[in-house]
Amino acid sequence: EDQVTQSPEALRLQEGESSSLNCSYTVSGLRGLFWYRQDPGKGPEFLFTLYSAGEEKEKERLKATLTKKESFLHITAPKPEDSATYLCAVKGGAQKLVFGQGTRLTINP
Amino acid sequence: NAGVTQTPKFQVLKTGQSMTLQCAQDMNHEYMSWYRQDPGMGLRLIHYSVGAGITDQGEVPNGYNVSRSTTEDFPLRLLSAAPSQTSVYFCATLMQGFSEQFFGPGTRLTVL
Repeated sequence: EDQVTQSPEALRLQEGESSSLNCSYTVSGLRGLFWYRQDPGKGPEFLFTLYSAGEEKEKERLKATLTKKESFLHITAPKPEDSATYLCAVKGGAQKLVFGQGTRLTINP
Repeated sequence: NAGVTQTPKFQVLKTGQSMTLQCAQDMNHEYMSWYRQDPGMGLRLIHYSVGAGITDQGEVPNGYNVSRSTTEDFPLRLLSAAPSQTSVYFCATLMQGFSEQFFGPGTRLTVL
């Protein structure tokens, strides 16, 4: 059974304080690892897809990396507008997305 | 271009009542799906469809029905609502061959 575990559950940072969010996964035949951002009261918004170990993708202050067992979402010099819940999901051989519980990130000014 | 729309935004039901959550998209995406989101549980797949006339079960299908008569619409029916179905429901779409899934704004359902 495909599984995704995200840590920490919640993270509070000061503006400009860089950090990383973790997504550990087990999946049979990885077809993709996905990162989403979700603001309160809204639907998830797509950020990145990673397909193979060693792959990296960047968007503004965010960089996602992938190994065979986990993915990291690195946040460099975050701003208050980066506050959100970040969701990780995997797609395996069953072609269905399995989501983690999310990490709630708060950036204090 | 409205993207993915869901109605209603909020709904309160009594145990045993039935209702339909609506989802519509104007992007001509073949793949549509329904998720529920509960605190501490993440998003869980209820049902999905790879095209008009084709539906399949996800992780938590019990108590829900779907149909897909057109590309644009994918309604989710609660047959006899139970308190355990209190949740936020999201509809999502995907174009075949692409990885970006688009989510609607959600419907917050409370069953008393």
